Amino acid sequence: AQSVTQLGSHVSVSEGALVLLRCNYSSSVPPYLFWYVQYPNQGLQLLLKYTSAATLVKGINGFEAEFKKSETSFHLTKPSAHMSDAAEYFCAVSPKAAGNKLTFGGGTRVLVKP
Amino acid sequence: DTAVSQTPKYLVTQMGNDKSIKCEQNLGHDTMYWYKQDSKKFLKIMFSYNNKELIINETVPNRFSPKSPDKAHLNLHINSLELGDSAVYFCASKVSATDTQYFGPGTRLTVL
Repeated sequence: AQSVTQLGSHVSVSEGALVLLRCNYSSSVPPYLFWYVQYPNQGLQLLLKYTSAATLVKGINGFEAEFKKSETSFHLTKPSAHMSDAAEYFCAVSPKAAGNKLTFGGGTRVLVKP
Repeated sequence: DTAVSQTPKYLVTQMGNDKSIKCEQNLGHDTMYWYKQDSKKFLKIMFSYNNKELIINETVPNRFSPKSPDKAHLNLHINSLELGDSAVYFCASKVSATDTQYFGPGTRLTVL
């Protein structure tokens, strides 16, 4: 069984400040890991993914995440927040197997203060 | 040229009614999914189809019946709607040998 925990349901950052969203996973097999972003009233858009290549993964919009097996973590960061980063962010895990269902964390809402 | 589309975008209905949500993808993918996002934004998989065959059924009430007429379509029919069915339903698709799912815009279902 797989599970994902996102620490903090809400994160508030100032424009230009570091964005750090925490994600820890539990998986009995090596997983794929994903970060998705959901803007208000929209679907989910893939930010980045880890699929057992480089442990530091760069995504769209200046985001990156680092896979740390020893800590079972896949935290998402962005050096400088922009107003347009205000959204809901979801960490997800899937097994490297047929079907590949995604198991999502509870989401973290990011608020960006001017 | 929308990749994954869903209709309708909004659906408001009374308890006890039967309704359907449609999903179409023009990406040539062979695997499609339905996810439910509840009022607290929690996302959970409901079903998955690969080449029109059901491969995942996550203990969803049998009032929910997915149907895949072809690889490009996965519809969701819901019988006897209940208040607790109110949610946003997302369709997603991917190629079975790959890792990334592409999501539709969602259908917001409100049961009164």
